[in-house]
Amino acid sequence: SQTIHQWPATLVQPVGSPLSLECTVEGTSNPNLYWYRQAAGRGLQLLFYSVGIGQISSEVPQNLSASRPQDRQFILSSKKLLLSDSGFYLCAWSTTYEQYFGPGTRLTVT
Amino acid sequence: RKEVEQDPGPFNVPEGATVAFNCTYSNSASQSFFWYRQDCRKEPKLLMSVYSSGNEDGRFTAQLNRASQYISLLIRDSKLSDSATYLCVVTSNSNSGYALNFGKGTSLLVTP
Repeated sequence: SQTIHQWPATLVQPVGSPLSLECTVEGTSNPNLYWYRQAAGRGLQLLFYSVGIGQISSEVPQNLSASRPQDRQFILSSKKLLLSDSGFYLCAWSTTYEQYFGPGTRLTVT
Repeated sequence: RKEVEQDPGPFNVPEGATVAFNCTYSNSASQSFFWYRQDCRKEPKLLMSVYSSGNEDGRFTAQLNRASQYISLLIRDSKLSDSATYLCVVTSNSNSGYALNFGKGTSLLVTP
């Protein structure tokens, strides 16, 4: 069966610091991978998606970036965090329209 | 107009009650529809897909009205464990590889 992992689970970072969040998927090959952010009291916002290694598309202009160095690994990064980057970051995978989410990383930028 | 709209609630219902959530979507070209459930501070989890003919999974029934661009979720015999936020989800209008549009969710609280 397929599983998806994210780490860390929680993170507190100062403004201006870098960020690296990792997501890995097991039990499937060549999945589509997604990064979402859910800010407090708001819906899920798609940040990035990837249909294959090295293929990244951005949905929203951000100070964030994403990379997919391996088939089942998806990384979300920032060089300098902003206060507005606080939120619940969720990685998801799919092979069709049904998406399955990882446990998420709760990021607080102080 | 937002792509997916839901009544945020909260819906407070007693245990054993029947409750219905509605959702409207703006993209008439959407092909796939889902309901997800999200518990507080947890990730969304797929509850059920919504098919044109309507579908049922135990106490949960989902229906789709393409003409009205309307999706519903009915929960019968509510349990305390049904308390959560229910997210209406439709396929996106963008080319983002099976990307989905999520509603902001409807909050349900089932009370003893």
